Amino acid sequence: AQSVTQPDIHITVSEGASLELRCNYSYGATPYLFWYVQSPGQGLQLLLKYFSGDTLVQGIKGFEAEFKRSQSSFNLRKPSVHWSDAAEYFCAVGSGNTGKLIFGQGTTLQVKP
Amino acid sequence: DAGVIQSPRHEVTEMGQEVTLRCKPISGHDYLFWYRQTMMRGLELLIYFNNNVPIDDSGMPEDRFSAKMPNASFSTLKIQPSEPRDSAVYFCASSLMGLAGGSYNEQFFGPGTRLTVL
Repeated sequence: AQSVTQPDIHITVSEGASLELRCNYSYGATPYLFWYVQSPGQGLQLLLKYFSGDTLVQGIKGFEAEFKRSQSSFNLRKPSVHWSDAAEYFCAVGSGNTGKLIFGQGTTLQVKP
Repeated sequence: DAGVIQSPRHEVTEMGQEVTLRCKPISGHDYLFWYRQTMMRGLELLIYFNNNVPIDDSGMPEDRFSAKMPNASFSTLKIQPSEPRDSAVYFCASSLMGLAGGSYNEQFFGPGTRLTVL
């Protein structure tokens, strides 16, 4: 069965430090992978997506993610975190035949001044 | 485009009352999803539609919940009767099942309806 695991429930980083949020997926075919961000009181906003091609994808707000098939991972990175990046981050895998997205449990990012 | 529109943004009701949440998807999208988000259970898919037809309602918690999509531009999620444990944020999302490489599977979320059942 398809699944997404985000091993870190909560992460705290200092402003200006680098960030990596982990995501592991289980999917039999070529996955369609997504990262969404949810700021407090808001809906989910797409940060970036991977369908095919270059395994390093760039997104909005300075985020990037790298697809590693051998590790079944799609980790999200940012070289320098800003206080406004504090939010909850969701990794998701698309089930191409059904239209559904399978979401991970989310990682809450706290940014220290 | 205005994005996915949900109403109301906040709803406070008393136990036993009927609650109706509304969603207008992005024009041209052929999939519509209803999610529920709570601290305890995270983001849960309740039901989704393709071309106005319910495809999978296995996430609907019980018979008190029902959803309809009478046309391509409108959907409702109804809870009758409501209970305190239904308190959550309910999201509607829509997507276009286009060709690979386009907006395939990308879902666009509305701002959510925060429901409080007293």
